[in-house]
Amino acid sequence: GEDVEQSLFLSVREGDSSVINCTYTDSSSTYLYWYKQEPGAGLQLLTYIFSNMDMKQDQRLTVLLNKKDKHLSLRIADTQTGDSAIYFCAVGLGSGTYKYIFGTGTRLKVLA
Amino acid sequence: EPEVTQTPSHQVTQMGQEVILRCVPISNHLYFYWYRQILGQKVEFLVSFYNNEISEKSEIFDDQFSVERPDGSNFTLKIRSTKLEDSAMYFCASSRTAYEQYFGPGTRLTVT
Repeated sequence: GEDVEQSLFLSVREGDSSVINCTYTDSSSTYLYWYKQEPGAGLQLLTYIFSNMDMKQDQRLTVLLNKKDKHLSLRIADTQTGDSAIYFCAVGLGSGTYKYIFGTGTRLKVLA
Repeated sequence: EPEVTQTPSHQVTQMGQEVILRCVPISNHLYFYWYRQILGQKVEFLVSFYNNEISEKSEIFDDQFSVERPDGSNFTLKIRSTKLEDSAMYFCASSRTAYEQYFGPGTRLTVT
């Protein structure tokens, strides 16, 4: 079945850029997503990209999609301490209704 | 900004008991979902619901699970006879279209 993988931890200094990576196996995914989870909170939709796009920029967030390598990344520019959280990559599968397959989540720690 | 809400935030139950987890989706949304996350594991899809019926369910969603939209606002997940392995965080999500799911804060279910 579909598998989505992420590295578990990333540590960056405040003001630097963070790049969180994700690989997936199912090339039929139409939409690919990034969610953020802060302690004790739910999953907050950050951004998503349609599979026919290579890049999407939304303020400090840049999503890059390499369909050939089945690789998705999220770049956070000028990372702040408030960006410390777990970031989940998810791929959407199905037609009609959709289910998401999530990665393990990457815990981002921003050092002041 | 509208959001998905879930109650209770934490439910403790004894093995074999029935539990009902409640969700209030965003009001103009048409698609509804349940996911769960066992501690330390990935977020897993359980079931999707559209037009008053189940659209898709995972292997996890066996006969012990059921979903219902009893009125125009609530969406519930019932587990008939809980097992220890049902202990997890359960997330409800809703979407207006099939492609943009918004998640609630989750209900932590502890089965003792």
